[in-house]
Amino acid sequence: DAGITQSPRHKVTETGTPVTLRCHQTENHRYMYWYRQDPGHGLRLIHYSYGVKDTDKGEVSDGYSVSRSKTEDFLLTLESATSSQTSVYFCAISESTVNSPLHFGNGTRLTVT
Amino acid sequence: LAKTTQPISMDSYEGQEVNITCSHNNIATNDYITWYQQFPSQGPRFIIQGYKTKVTNEVASLFIPADRKSSTLSLPRVSLSDTAVYYCLVGDRRDDKIIFGKGTRLHILP
Repeated sequence: DAGITQSPRHKVTETGTPVTLRCHQTENHRYMYWYRQDPGHGLRLIHYSYGVKDTDKGEVSDGYSVSRSKTEDFLLTLESATSSQTSVYFCAISESTVNSPLHFGNGTRLTVT
Repeated sequence: LAKTTQPISMDSYEGQEVNITCSHNNIATNDYITWYQQFPSQGPRFIIQGYKTKVTNEVASLFIPADRKSSTLSLPRVSLSDTAVYYCLVGDRRDDKIIFGKGTRLHILP
């Protein structure tokens, strides 16, 4: 499996608190993605990065921000967590070559109470 | 990114061949077709990718007709462990946004 580590694996937090999820890769891949997955919605793209300091919005970016200060780390921040952000969050990476497939991490289960 | 349409769910039995078809009528010339598999509580896993005709690997085969407006993922002799959600994606790297549909929930029965 591709070297992708998501941390934490589980987190419970209270409404209104900031939360940061980390995705760390050891593959030196250019592209990194954050998805959330909820029952009935499938996988939805939050933000993605196409290089260091290069990021863009996905389908459901409201309430989320990201940062990528180095190739191996892509951080997802919920500035003020809400109950609607309770979800499973997946990070994915892919190489820079055309049509290279995505490789996913094991996910972070976030519960906002 | 080309829009795809797949069946929401399918049932099959162990030992059968399963074919899941994906429609992508507005596929572009440079688009590839990629399939992923997702087990419960895990991230999706790449299965197979193709551009035209037929592609086969140790897991599955992918059939793409000449007009490329659809594709069929074929899983030979399925087992209970093939129960998963299967996603069809169409696009190329120039579409940095990789958008997943809802996939096909495949349930294998004993």
